Amino acid sequence: DTAVSQTPKYLVTQMGNDKSIKCEQNLGHDTMYWYKQDSKKFLKIMFSYNNKELIINETVPNRFSPKSPDKAHLNLHINSLELGDSAVYFCASSQRKVTQETQYFGPGTRLLVL
Amino acid sequence: DAKTTQPPSMDCAEGRAANLPCNHSTISGNEYVYWYRQIHSQGPQYIIHGLKNNETNEMASLIITEDRKSSTLILPHATLRDTAVYYCIVRVGNQGGKLIFGQGTELSVKP
Repeated sequence: DTAVSQTPKYLVTQMGNDKSIKCEQNLGHDTMYWYKQDSKKFLKIMFSYNNKELIINETVPNRFSPKSPDKAHLNLHINSLELGDSAVYFCASSQRKVTQETQYFGPGTRLLVL
Repeated sequence: DAKTTQPPSMDCAEGRAANLPCNHSTISGNEYVYWYRQIHSQGPQYIIHGLKNNETNEMASLIITEDRKSSTLILPHATLRDTAVYYCIVRVGNQGGKLIFGQGTELSVKP
């Protein structure tokens, strides 16, 4: 069974379009994340939700809007897509603990904006 | 979170031990050292973490110097499937939150 799954795996779209990518985890974790990996392979946090509450919101254009309908799901909606949004987007989840917290990553969604 | 410094690339012969160094000279007393890796086209994968004692699990061993300013990840018998980018990350262990990924070390295991 896949622990952290993302859909779609690939997304090719035109500039200006609006698109959503979805993430689901079946690990029973209470915290979920979105990371972006650009063409230079740098991985950077975008958002994090804990128990459906937004707790991390990095400097991300407000065209990006995360939504967490429940603890097992975290979706990412992107409005007015731009060429620079082309990247691989990774979802991750973890369970908050006192001493350590391991994040489990999904397989990624490869977004290409033309 | 403290910054880390890793060599950009390393080679290792299949079957030999791979020793990946990491410098974290500004690490604070409550910051843990975490290692993740990213195999090509996959999501990052947790390997191991530690605070000050050496740690071992089924994947690797983590050696942390006594002053905690550096550490070494050891893959005891590297295989071709261990070819990946390895990231050393330091962060406070008792707070949920972001992982700050650096450039990592690209490890190539060769036959």
